[in-house]
Amino acid sequence: AQSVTQPDIHITVSEGASLELRCNYSYGATPYLFWYVQSPGQGLQLLLKYFSGDTLVQGIKGFEAEFKRSQSSFNLRKPSVHWSDAAEYFCAVGGDKLSFGAGTTVTVRA
Amino acid sequence: DAGVTQSPTHLIKTRGQQVTLRCSPISGHKSVSWYQQVLGQGPQFIFQYYEKEERGRGNFPDRFSARQFPNYSSELNVNALLLGDSALYLCASSLSPYEQYFGPGTRLTVT
Repeated sequence: AQSVTQPDIHITVSEGASLELRCNYSYGATPYLFWYVQSPGQGLQLLLKYFSGDTLVQGIKGFEAEFKRSQSSFNLRKPSVHWSDAAEYFCAVGGDKLSFGAGTTVTVRA
Repeated sequence: DAGVTQSPTHLIKTRGQQVTLRCSPISGHKSVSWYQQVLGQGPQFIFQYYEKEERGRGNFPDRFSARQFPNYSSELNVNALLLGDSALYLCASSLSPYEQYFGPGTRLTVT
């Protein structure tokens, strides 16, 4: 069975500071991994994805994520957050059928 | 290019009623998936359709059904609505098997 755990329910970060969101997954084979962002009242926007190859993947809006097979992790990072990064972030695993974590809410303080 | 569109944006139904939600995929995408997102949780997979055939079904009761039309648009039907069906229903379309693009969702409130 495939599943995702996002250990942090809520993270508060100052504008300009770095951000790291944790994601741990369970999957029977080579995982397809995704990060999505959801602004209030909106659908999900794909930030980045990992299928294979280089374990450090670059996404939109300055985000990157690193796949670590030994730790079953796919953590999302951004070196310097902007106020517009305040949103909910979801990690997902799977192919045709995506399994999502419960999400991490990011608050950005001035 | 237009993204995934869903209609209606919001709707309110009474327990026991039936509801139909609609989704139009990105042009050229042949696969459509449906997800339910209850407030405060991540989306849960309901169905996937590809070329009008059901390819996958999540752990949802038979009150939930869906179909895909020749133009690849899709409908999700929910019968005998329960309070617990209140959620944001998301539709996603994909070209390749493993990259899904989501619409803005339909907010369903059951009273």
